[in-house]
Amino acid sequence: KQEVTQIPAALSVPEGENLVLNCSFTDSAIYNLQWFRQDPGKGLTSLLLIQSSQREQTSGRLNASLDKSSGRSTLYIAASQPGDSATYLCAGKDNFNKFYFGSGTKLNVKP
Amino acid sequence: DGGITQSPKYLFRKEGQNVTLSCEQNLNHDAMYWYRQDPGQGLRLIYYSQIVNDFQKGDIAEGYSVSREKKESFPLTVTSAQKNPTAFYLCASSISWARTGELFFGEGSRLTVL
Repeated sequence: KQEVTQIPAALSVPEGENLVLNCSFTDSAIYNLQWFRQDPGKGLTSLLLIQSSQREQTSGRLNASLDKSSGRSTLYIAASQPGDSATYLCAGKDNFNKFYFGSGTKLNVKP
Repeated sequence: DGGITQSPKYLFRKEGQNVTLSCEQNLNHDAMYWYRQDPGQGLRLIYYSQIVNDFQKGDIAEGYSVSREKKESFPLTVTSAQKNPTAFYLCASSISWARTGELFFGEGSRLTVL
């Protein structure tokens, strides 16, 4: 069974700092890796989707990479802002159309 | 606008009562999912459905039931057999036939047992 781990569980940084969130998975047989953002009491919002054949995806200040051989994905946030404060989750999709989630990284960007 | 609608947003239940959470999507997605989220924890899969009139148990199906009579609807019933139902429930959908199908979520329903 796929196990997904996210480190760190919580992160606090000053505004303007660049940061990296980590996601590791045990089974390299994933079809895609998706990063989500969750605000308190809300549903998950999709940020980036990386297909298994891709290495990275970019959207604005966000860049996500995928290395299937090492079982790792990273989400890079450039020039962080207080509005980036949220919980970030990653999820891998297997060949049975099931998704496996990490526990998330709670990010706090201080003004 | 296309999306996933969950209702009610907040629900209070007395012990021993069954309650049903609604999930409707107009994205024309084949696959639908129900997840449970507890404070500080990740998402755990309750049930999922890849096609109408078919569904499979997830990791924590005990005490829950679902139906999939229409493509756009996937209601979840929390039965009195669920020992600790207080949680945040999330419905999601994706295209099942595409290997790279993106997962989309509703806004969630928060259930509290009094």
